[in-house]
Amino acid sequence: AAGVIQSPRHLIKEKRETATLKCYPIPRHDTVYWYQQGPGQDPQFLISFYEKMQSDKGSIPDRFSAQQFSDYHSELNMSSLELGDSALYFCASSEDRGGDSPLHFGNGTRLTVT
Amino acid sequence: DQQVKQNSPSLSVQEGRISILNCDYTNSMFDYFLWYKKYPAEGPTFLISISSIKDKNEDGRFTVFLNKSAKHLSLHIVPSQPGDSAVYFCAATPGGGSEKLVFGKGTKLTVNP
Repeated sequence: AAGVIQSPRHLIKEKRETATLKCYPIPRHDTVYWYQQGPGQDPQFLISFYEKMQSDKGSIPDRFSAQQFSDYHSELNMSSLELGDSALYFCASSEDRGGDSPLHFGNGTRLTVT
Repeated sequence: DQQVKQNSPSLSVQEGRISILNCDYTNSMFDYFLWYKKYPAEGPTFLISISSIKDKNEDGRFTVFLNKSAKHLSLHIVPSQPGDSAVYFCAATPGGGSEKLVFGKGTKLTVNP
């Protein structure tokens, strides 16, 4: 079965650079979520989109922005990168925002800021 | 403030025995609970969930129990297999959808052959 696809798997950037992470949800899933997982930490919710509109916002820095496109894929844009942004970034999708529908996660993008 | 707590960072079990992973929560608004399993270098994989209107949900070797009055849930795996070795995350949401999943810090399960 098709899963959530994230690209790239690994990304190395320098401080103050910009990074773009991409996420392709499971077909027919209309809701996308972004999570950040630091070393030894639990995943922290960043932001979510439903039908291309931002639906909820968590602990996402102002330096980060995201959007969902007409084909439902989403991109997380990170600017002025800091060392503390080094983390695993997971994207997840679900098919039913209004109901009890589990999130399905991609394999993540490991961002390293040097 | 950790709203979902997994107090055991690790658990070691013999193959064939029962694994019991525990999770406590503090937010009484949570009404949908999920367990995810995570292997290194992979994303969390959905395992099983339970709504607050139930106290038990079973799927094969996996059973989740919910005690709302105690704000406690547990995941039972029986019989445990070496392939079950992974980090297990408990997660919760206020319901009405799966937004803002709040995760525990995870329990690393090791099933020994």
